[in-house]
Amino acid sequence: QQPVQSPQAVILREGEDAVINCSSSKALYSVHWYRQKHGEAPVFLMILLKGGEQKGHEKISASFNEKKQQSSLYLTASQLSYSGTYFCGTVLIQGAQKLVFGQGTRLTINP
Amino acid sequence: IAGITQAPTSQILAAGRRMTLRCTQDMRHNAMYWYRQDLGLGLRLIHYSNTAGTTGKGEVPDGYSVSRANTDDFPLTLASAVPSQTSVYFCASSETPGAREVFGPGTRLTVL
Repeated sequence: QQPVQSPQAVILREGEDAVINCSSSKALYSVHWYRQKHGEAPVFLMILLKGGEQKGHEKISASFNEKKQQSSLYLTASQLSYSGTYFCGTVLIQGAQKLVFGQGTRLTINP
Repeated sequence: IAGITQAPTSQILAAGRRMTLRCTQDMRHNAMYWYRQDLGLGLRLIHYSNTAGTTGKGEVPDGYSVSRANTDDFPLTLASAVPSQTSVYFCASSETPGAREVFGPGTRLTVL
């Protein structure tokens, strides 16, 4: 039931782009994205509801492919402040409305 | 300051001892959650409460109990701590179940 994130880790230079994927084997109602910096709590980035919408937050955007039960997080022209671990969380169509988090993707941005 | 407070910030506990982690929110959110975070395993849901007076089991509930007597407080109790419960514990809340979650600062618990 836990969604699968890929890749597990990414190392970029400042200004480069990254894509983080999140996939589920079950039908999804929504996908959440959070970012966690070392030693801190996770912070909400965005929610995508089933319907394939794309959302944006500064230079970070995401999409939700309902047919494939996949979501992708796009980081454009990455900044040093984007470093951290990114988690997707999924809410299933069937069952209680609880988030199940993926194992996380560690993003490192170097100058 | 609106948000979630957790106490204690960190704790070292002898195995077999009872421990209660406290969580209080001031956002009048209906739903509250307890997660544990272990390296490489992400965030795993222990227990949740969709509204005051109700609770439910998450993915890893064994060895933990919760109560939700009112909207603001959601304590997590370890009845008899074991070393495998060494972890960072996050409390979170959302306005409604399934909505965006706000996380507390976490409690780092070490059971020896």
